[in-house]
Amino acid sequence: TQLLEQSPQFLSIQEGENLTVYCNSSSVFSSLQWYRQEPGEGPVLLVTVVTGGEVKKLKRLTFQFGDARKDSSLHITAAQPGDTGLYLCAGPAGGTSYGKLTFGQGTILTVHP
Amino acid sequence: GAVVSQHPSRVICKSGTSVKIECRSLDFQATTMFWYRQFPKQSLMLMATSNEGSKATYEQGVEKDKFLINHASLTLSTLTVTSAHPEDSSFYICSARGRVGVFEQYFGPGTRLTVT
Repeated sequence: TQLLEQSPQFLSIQEGENLTVYCNSSSVFSSLQWYRQEPGEGPVLLVTVVTGGEVKKLKRLTFQFGDARKDSSLHITAAQPGDTGLYLCAGPAGGTSYGKLTFGQGTILTVHP
Repeated sequence: GAVVSQHPSRVICKSGTSVKIECRSLDFQATTMFWYRQFPKQSLMLMATSNEGSKATYEQGVEKDKFLINHASLTLSTLTVTSAHPEDSSFYICSARGRVGVFEQYFGPGTRLTVT
């Protein structure tokens, strides 16, 4: 099973600040996904990165896939209280996994007004 | 597109009873559905993978006789928690994958199960 290490686990910041969440592995992934989950709800897919070195932007969120496809990062510019939630990175679990995903431990982001 | 629903959203049941949770893909056919359990402020823990028309594959440590999964059609999977106990109280989330070779999963809104 391929593991994903996510950091930091907890992030508490003020509105307007920037932040970066990291997702690292010793294994190569064919793709990585980022999800955001709000309390009491299911995760929502934000983005999938596929190509090494790829950068994708979603409004104030910037996602990057490492050149070697072993790591990814999520950068949020000028965070807002609405960005508060659990952020999860995930990638194919590998082997004959029937499409299973392996998830990072998650980053709980709290943005204070 | 890619909407997944879950029902019920919340359920409270007495210890010893069984509870069924439904997961439906509303606008696509799901070749595979997954069932997760999540504890507060933690990541998702995969319980089982189900493919339409075949038996579910359970993760290590998950009791298949306690957590019965039926993937009756390409749009419906059910999880039945049998003889529920307070330690089964948790947030259960399903997800669905539309096409073989595609790894994005679309998640339902979750079901909060409380066993008293």
